[in-house]
Amino acid sequence: TQLLEQSPQFLSIQEGENLTVYCNSSSVFSSLQWYRQEPGEGPVLLVTVVTGGEVKKLKRLTFQFGDARKDSSLHITAAQPGDTGLYLCAGRWGATNKLIFGTGTLLAVQP
Amino acid sequence: NAGVTQTPKFQVLKTGQSMTLQCAQDMNHNSMYWYRQDPGMGLRLIYYSASEGTTDKGEVPNGYNVSRLNKREFSLRLESAAPSQTSVYFCASRIDAYTGELFFGEGSRLTVL
Repeated sequence: TQLLEQSPQFLSIQEGENLTVYCNSSSVFSSLQWYRQEPGEGPVLLVTVVTGGEVKKLKRLTFQFGDARKDSSLHITAAQPGDTGLYLCAGRWGATNKLIFGTGTLLAVQP
Repeated sequence: NAGVTQTPKFQVLKTGQSMTLQCAQDMNHNSMYWYRQDPGMGLRLIYYSASEGTTDKGEVPNGYNVSRLNKREFSLRLESAAPSQTSVYFCASRIDAYTGELFFGEGSRLTVL
């Protein structure tokens, strides 16, 4: 059973559009990471958030951690074809050292 | 730098056969993980090793065994392969079990007929 739900599952947009991807859990995260995966490769880390309400920016990507640390979002401004890929959130809860991944959001940006 | 190296990259097995996936990292990381990824889905944790000498079950451990051979190496064994184990397997490591970036290998594509 996946403890981390991501939405939407699939997203196909035109170049230049904005989008938001969500990651939700019923439990409080100790920390949460976002990864991006391209076909045939392993995921690559984009960001780590640990503090409730935290906002981090990485060029056109904005990551937000919910105040209660149960949810997170990834917003992409003016999407480009190079943003195409599978976006994954990964979380750790309490004292556990398991790192569990979400269900993933597959993004396709059309030129 | 090699990072995380997995072997083999591709493998086809018949139902009931056994095999071992090998993983080695050269980053002096303490924690290592095995995940599986099915088409169009996220990664599911099979087993992990928080530090040398320890291993723990993840979300989907049934049908698998692991060995943390030393600090560098973490192997995944399928004792009696089943078609449901057809998947892409990723090994990953990070500096410790609580913090840091997870570094992944390139994946091992396993097909069980």
